[in-house]
Amino acid sequence: DADVTQTPRNRITKTGKRIMLECSQTKGHDRMYWYRQDPGLGLQLIYYSFDVKDINKGEISDGYSVSRQAQAKFSLSLESAIPNQTALYFCATSDAPGREGGGSNEQFFGPGTRLTVL
Amino acid sequence: GEDVEQSLFLSVREGDSSVINCTYTDSSSTYLYWYKQEPGAGLQLLTYIFSNMDMKQDQRLTVLLNKKDKHLSLRIADTQTGDSAIYFCAETFSGNTPLVFGKGTRLSVIA
Repeated sequence: DADVTQTPRNRITKTGKRIMLECSQTKGHDRMYWYRQDPGLGLQLIYYSFDVKDINKGEISDGYSVSRQAQAKFSLSLESAIPNQTALYFCATSDAPGREGGGSNEQFFGPGTRLTVL
Repeated sequence: GEDVEQSLFLSVREGDSSVINCTYTDSSSTYLYWYKQEPGAGLQLLTYIFSNMDMKQDQRLTVLLNKKDKHLSLRIADTQTGDSAIYFCAETFSGNTPLVFGKGTRLSVIA
């Protein structure tokens, strides 16, 4: 079974709709992240959370919100989707330094959600 | 702010060596990473290097770090068609800051 899962894997929606992307992990990690990937732009950080009570904005948080419902779950919402939010969205997890990975802060990625906003 | 730069494309012949380069701006970077993204998949960590090292070798992969020039490279020996993917360089100052990723280098391996 995959350690980091994302649902849905693909979604087509219309401008103005509210969309929620979900991420679950079984790795027991405290830290979770949401990124979007656009061709030629690499990965851009949207939001991240270092524990259940911690939420931080990334470089492109406008138009997005998140909820950390539990250690294992981190959801990303688009309150009113617009076409330039069409992208591939990735969730990732990591453990705190000094634990798994020997302190490398390695991030483990989900398979991605392809979102198209018409 | 922090920035990580990579060239966007690299094409090599099967069996040759590939060298993917990356430059970063944050001289206090502690960890530097190479991630691989295959088509239709998420990113997977290939290797990483601590800033107090200048080289790390792992089978066909060699990572070189030049801290003075803030330059990181990934060499893949005997490149195979299965190495075709996008390779991302990333860095972090400490374990308590998110990774900063480059835009990725698309490696194409020609048979």
